[in-house]
Amino acid sequence: EIVPTQSPGTLSLSPGERATLSCKTSQSISNKYLAWYQQKPGQAPRLLIYGVSNRATGIPDRFSGSGSGTDFTLTISRLEPEDFAVYYCQHYDTSFYTFGQGTKLEIK
Amino acid sequence: QVQLQESGPGLVKPSGTLSLTCAVSGGSISNDNWWSWVRQSPGKGPEWIGEIHHIRNTNYSPSFKGRVTISLDKSKNQFSLNLTSVTAADTAVFYCAKNGAFNMDVWGKGASVTVSS
Repeated sequence: EIVPTQSPGTLSLSPGERATLSCKTSQSISNKYLAWYQQKPGQAPRLLIYGVSNRATGIPDRFSGSGSGTDFTLTISRLEPEDFAVYYCQHYDTSFYTFGQGTKLEIK
Repeated sequence: QVQLQESGPGLVKPSGTLSLTCAVSGGSISNDNWWSWVRQSPGKGPEWIGEIHHIRNTNYSPSFKGRVTISLDKSKNQFSLNLTSVTAADTAVFYCAKNGAFNMDVWGKGASVTVSS
């Protein structure tokens, strides 16, 4: 079982700054099997990025994904107040989905 | 576009069965999609439970195998989750979701379930 590991656990930044969130897998994976979600308190997760770097419908272009092999990154180029939330990466492997433990992005 | 809505009891007794239903609107459950259930315990990340296809193929997480059944009702355009032998550790918010390409691209708002006597 490939379990994604996210870092940092908490990231404290100010609006306007750039955020870089990391997701590492224990084995090399296909790019199409890595996705990112945003979750705000009391809400369901929302798909942001699929296939490592493809933005889901309606996602602003300040969100971007990159990486390959075992190291993947979600970048938010310029933080807006509504971006402060918890972010999860998710891996798919043969009819099985696993989520990372999340990175909480908080206002500094 | 497709919308999902979970429903079911918010309180289940220990050793009982948790049953939830997900109503699909804005699209047909018979489209070529997989449909998933996801659990999120308080303060934790999401945990995938299992999925079903309209031809009734299912896949389950090993963490829940033996306790979980996912089924669907085409006439009602809905799918369901049954989780048996629940304990306090099953207290969580349960989400239903439509699968995209190796991800979950549409989610319901979630149903909070507490396991307590």
